[in-house]
Amino acid sequence: GENVEQHPSTLSVQEGDSAVIKCTYSDSASNYFPWYKQELGKRPQLIIDIRSNVGEKKDQRIAVTLNKTAKHFSLHITETQPEDSAVYFCAARPSRGGGADGLTFGKGTHLIIQP
Amino acid sequence: NAGVTQTPKFRILKIGQSMTLQCAQDMNHNYMYWYRQDPGMGLKLIYYSVGAGITDKGEVPNGYNVSRSTTEDFPLRLELAAPSQTSVYFCASSDGRVNQPQHFGDGTRLSIL
Repeated sequence: GENVEQHPSTLSVQEGDSAVIKCTYSDSASNYFPWYKQELGKRPQLIIDIRSNVGEKKDQRIAVTLNKTAKHFSLHITETQPEDSAVYFCAARPSRGGGADGLTFGKGTHLIIQP
Repeated sequence: NAGVTQTPKFRILKIGQSMTLQCAQDMNHNYMYWYRQDPGMGLKLIYYSVGAGITDKGEVPNGYNVSRSTTEDFPLRLELAAPSQTSVYFCASSDGRVNQPQHFGDGTRLSIL
């Protein structure tokens, strides 16, 4: 099965700086890679996703890059703000199930924005 | 639309008791999922369903059962609660197209004592 590794486990950055979270996956059949933000006691919320036919996707201050050859993908947050503080999870899903398979999640990165 | 609704929000069980976690979605999604999240960890897939009458095991199915009699509902059953099942349980759904995002409910926080 799929295995997703996520680093770092904790990331502290100054407000206004950029943050980068990296994930690697093991199953070359994976073709869908979402990122979720989870605030304390809340549900995971999708912030951005990328499919394997795309190398990069951007949405305002958030961007995701995908390197299928190396089997890694990264989340980039620019101009960080206090409300960006949360736990971020990467995930991967293989294409074998026609899109029905569940997601395999990384263990999460606790992002702390220092004022 | 309410999206994905989970009940109850919190529950404390004694070892050996049984209970059903409820999940309902009003988005007419074919695919539904159950995950568990242990403290400081990512989510792990318990069971999933691609439509009414069809269910399949995920990564950690032992100790759980599911059923899918309607498109809207996907209950998760714990038959003999064990301390290892203390966790936060999230239900999610997505539509039937390939690589569509999963939408999560607010979760059920379950403690087994």
